[in-house]
This record gives sequence, C-alpha cells and structure tokens, in this order.
Amino acid sequence: SQQGEEDPQALSIQEGENATMNCSYKTSINNLQWYRQNSGRGLVHLILIRSNEREKHSGRLRVTLDTSKKSSSLLITASRAADTASYFCATDLDDYKLSFGAGTTVTVRA
Amino acid sequence: EAGVAQSPRYKIIEKRQSVAFWCNPISGHATLYWYQQILGQGPKLLIQFQNNGVVDDSQLPKDRFSAERLKGVDSTLKIQPAKLEDSAVYLCASSLEAPLSNSNEQFFGPGTRLTVL
Repeated sequence: SQQGEEDPQALSIQEGENATMNCSYKTSINNLQWYRQNSGRGLVHLILIRSNEREKHSGRLRVTLDTSKKSSSLLITASRAADTASYFCATDLDDYKLSFGAGTTVTVRA
Repeated sequence: EAGVAQSPRYKIIEKRQSVAFWCNPISGHATLYWYQQILGQGPKLLIQFQNNGVVDDSQLPKDRFSAERLKGVDSTLKIQPAKLEDSAVYLCASSLEAPLSNSNEQFFGPGTRLTVL
C-alpha cells in the first residue's frame, strides 16, 4: 500500500505564480523525498528532508516537514512552463525502500 | 555520468504472451529497484536487489513475474504470461549501497511502457 498521499491531485497555475502541494503519510519516517516526473519520463529527485529537519530550500523549491502532523509541503516559487510535471512525495521508512504517493499533476500556463 | 538505461522503451503484446525488460543501473550502484507505475498512480515497488541478492520481493506477483540480477549489475524483469492489468510503465532505479549513502536518493531510468491487449 502507498504510504503517502498528495493533495491536490491536480493544480493549474499561471506562469510566475507559486505552486504548493502537500503530502501526508501514516507512519514514522527516516526521511521524505520529493520527485518530479515529466510526461513519458522517469522520476527525477528534487529534494530530501530528514525527520529532524523542518524546512529545506533548493533553488526555487521549499520543502517543509511537520512530523507531529505527519505531513510535508512542496512550494515552487515563480513557476515556469518547464515546471509542468507530476510531483511525488516518497517516504523512506529506514529500510532503504521508498513508498510513493499518487502524485500531484501541475500545469503551468504561459 | 551515464544514467540508468532501460530497454525497450515501448512494448505491445497480447495477453498470455511473455515479455522481458532490461535495466543497466548507474555504475557503482549496488542497489537496484524495479517499480510498476500504473497510469495515474505513483510507482509501486516490485523488487529490490542489493548486488545480486534479493532484499525485498514481497510485492512481486511471483506466479507470473520474475526478476534476476545475476552478476550484480544488469537486471531483467520478466512477465509470463501477461495479463491486461499488467499494462503499466516499468521503472528501474538504482542507488548507492546504504553505508556509502546517508540517504536513499534513487536514480530512475526512462521506463518501459507496456501495453497488454
């Protein structure tokens, strides 16, 4: 079964706007990762946040983690057309296996 | 650095036929994963190898799916016989062995899109 659930399932924004998506999970984690998947491609690792971290930045990406609520959020600032993709959160349960959610599909309109 | 290679990229077969997928991980990556991604869903782990040994195959439908990684490098995933519900993208990923990596960042190949008619 999938550990994480992303919300919303789909998101459509104008270029330049920010996009926020959330991930909720069920059990304690070692770390949480976010991946991007462009149409017809494999997944690309974006960012990893450990269970003892609360916030992390990478370029235009900002990830937060609230272990008390078992949730994480991914913020993409100043979105571009190239950000159009599906975004997945993946939880690492300390056994070097990842459990992926169903993803959020983001469409950035020019 | 070359990425994870997979072939074929696309495959169309009739139900009850057999099919095999091939994966070549990133050089030096001891851990290899096969995932099944059904349209509209996230990847689901089928099997995890550490070198040429199986770490986890609890989600692999062993009555029809098999996988091997004989020399600890390349891997093949086979479906025999295929069912309609096997239509999906099969993704291969690799990562460094746990002691060498303080995270489990996985590197994915482009996937093989399987259509079973």
